[in-house]
Amino acid sequence: GNSVTQMEGPVTLSEEAFLTINCTYTATGYPSLFWYVQYPGEGLQLLLKATKADDKGSNKGFEATYRKETTSFHLEKGSVQVSDSAVYFCAPLWEGGSEKLVFGKGTKLTVNP
Amino acid sequence: EAGVAQSPRYKIIEKRQSVAFWCNPISGHATLYWYQQILGQGPKLLIQFQNNGVVDDSQLPKDRFSAERLKGVDSTLKIQPAKLEDSAVYLCASSRSTMSLGELFFGEGSRLTVL
Repeated sequence: GNSVTQMEGPVTLSEEAFLTINCTYTATGYPSLFWYVQYPGEGLQLLLKATKADDKGSNKGFEATYRKETTSFHLEKGSVQVSDSAVYFCAPLWEGGSEKLVFGKGTKLTVNP
Repeated sequence: EAGVAQSPRYKIIEKRQSVAFWCNPISGHATLYWYQQILGQGPKLLIQFQNNGVVDDSQLPKDRFSAERLKGVDSTLKIQPAKLEDSAVYLCASSRSTMSLGELFFGEGSRLTVL
């Protein structure tokens, strides 16, 4: 079945460091791809998305590119801030039939000043 | 605009007791979802409503879980009887329509502890 594999955490970085959180999915069709973020004490919120191959989603300095050839959607940020500390979830959405998001396990990011 | 409202935020019960969670989606959002998030895991879809009809409940443990969305607005999720493994955060989310698949707005969740 459809599944997603996300980089294990936790990840601890210093402020201004480069961030990569890996995400890959099973190659069953061509899903839309999403990253959600959960800040401490808050609900999940959509961070960015990409709906077709080679699309780049971006928001708040974060970027992710839909790579069909490697079935990946890695999240990157060039310079993290303390306020980026949160849990990040990769979530493909397969359409056709029962459309639903399949969330990864989440990667907890802590950014130290 | 007001966000997705959920209550209660926290609930502690003993196994075999029952519990109910309530969700009020963002006004005008036709699609409503209930997710279960066990500690250390990603959210798992329990049930999806489109207006007041069920679209997907394939992962809902129907022997103990039930959900309804009367009048196509707010929704309740009930667990009866609860088991230890039901300890989790129950998330409600809504989206504008099937044209905005994947773009969900989540509430803060209801944390259930079963002792």
